[in-house]
This record gives sequence, structure tokens and C-alpha cells, in this order.
Amino acid sequence: QKEVEQDPGPLSVPEGAIVSLNCTYSNSAFQYFMWYRQYSRKGPELLMYTYSSGNKEDGRFTAQVDKSSKYISLFIRDSQPSDSATYLCASNGAGGTSYGKLTFGQGTILTVHP
Amino acid sequence: DSGVTQTPKHLITATGQRVTLRCSPRSGDLSVYWYQQSLDQGLQFLIQYYNGEERAKGNILERFSAQQFPDLHSELNLSSLELGDSALYFCASSDSSGFPLHFGNGTRLTVT
Repeated sequence: QKEVEQDPGPLSVPEGAIVSLNCTYSNSAFQYFMWYRQYSRKGPELLMYTYSSGNKEDGRFTAQVDKSSKYISLFIRDSQPSDSATYLCASNGAGGTSYGKLTFGQGTILTVHP
Repeated sequence: DSGVTQTPKHLITATGQRVTLRCSPRSGDLSVYWYQQSLDQGLQFLIQYYNGEERAKGNILERFSAQQFPDLHSELNLSSLELGDSALYFCASSDSSGFPLHFGNGTRLTVT
């Protein structure tokens, strides 16, 4: 079993829809939870991150972490065609050499059609 | 643009061969990380260097090795290549805090 599980989709939604992307994780030592966006033929870019449980909002994007259920979510409001990409959830431990040793989900391919 | 530069963008080679992938981190970043992305395994951490020293190891095969030079650029050496080594190899860098990671655009390796 992978430490971070993510439904690869693909997910196809109309422009303006609310998108919900989800991951589960199994390692209780994970403290930081991130969402990366990866466009075709590009490297992953950090969208948002949260530390421990809670919500974080940035414009049209909201990240949620529920440590009790080990569930990670990303919501995209008013989705745009430019949001079409692969979304990767990732987690790592806290401190020392754990920071950069990210464990990624498989990634969900999202297409927003006009 | 993340500021992380990887060369070459594409590499096609035969089984049994050896290749070197190169990474220049963002200006000022001391940490370099190597990740492998394949269809079946997803994005996996291979190894981290900090200011020239190895800091952490992940699922890196013994046929693979890396180093970070005094000018902070890094190289990933892959030897005795197998078909299964075909993948995207990403380099990322960070400052001394270790977060966040900034990824380059990868090197696509095809082993035939």
C-alpha cells in the first residue's frame, strides 16, 4: 500500500464548476501537506501547503487536511480551462532531513472544458 | 519559471549504457533533490544533497549515484540502464529551510 493514495481520474468538468480533489495517507508522522500542479511537459509547481490539520484558502483554491481521518482535499472554485493539469498531493515529516523528502500521490488529471 | 535548470531535456539511449543528468539549482539554494516520475510508480524521491553532502536517500537503485559540486550544481548518474529506467527525472532545489521545493522541468529518459 502506498503511503499517499490519490485517485488518478481523469476528471473532466465544465468551466465554472467546483472541483474536489482528494488524497488519503497512512503515515502518522506526516506533518506538512502540499498540493502541486503539473502542466504537461513541465515540472510540478507548489500551489498550496498546510501544516497539520486545518483549512487554508488562496483565491479560488482551498486546501483541507483532516489528520483524524488522514484525508487531504483541494477544492477549486469557478474552475477555468487554465486549471487543466495534473494535481499531485504530497506529504512529508517535520524537521531535519524530512522536509524535502516528499511522498507524492499518483496525481489526478483534471480537464476543465469551456 | 522555477529557476531550476535541467539538461538535457530529452535523452535516448540503449540498455546497458550510462548517462549523466545535470541540474543547476535556483540561485542561493543549497539543497538539491532528485525525483523520478514514471507512469506506474508516480513521483518518487531518490536522493538529497545539501551544500555538497548527501543528506537523505530514498528509493535510489545502486546503479544510480549523484553528487553535488562546489558550485552547487548536481549530477545524477545512471548506469547499466534497463528498459524500466525510462522515466522523467526531476531535480528540485530549496533554501536551507528545506521548504518549499522548486522543481525543474525534468529530463525525459528513454531506454531502448
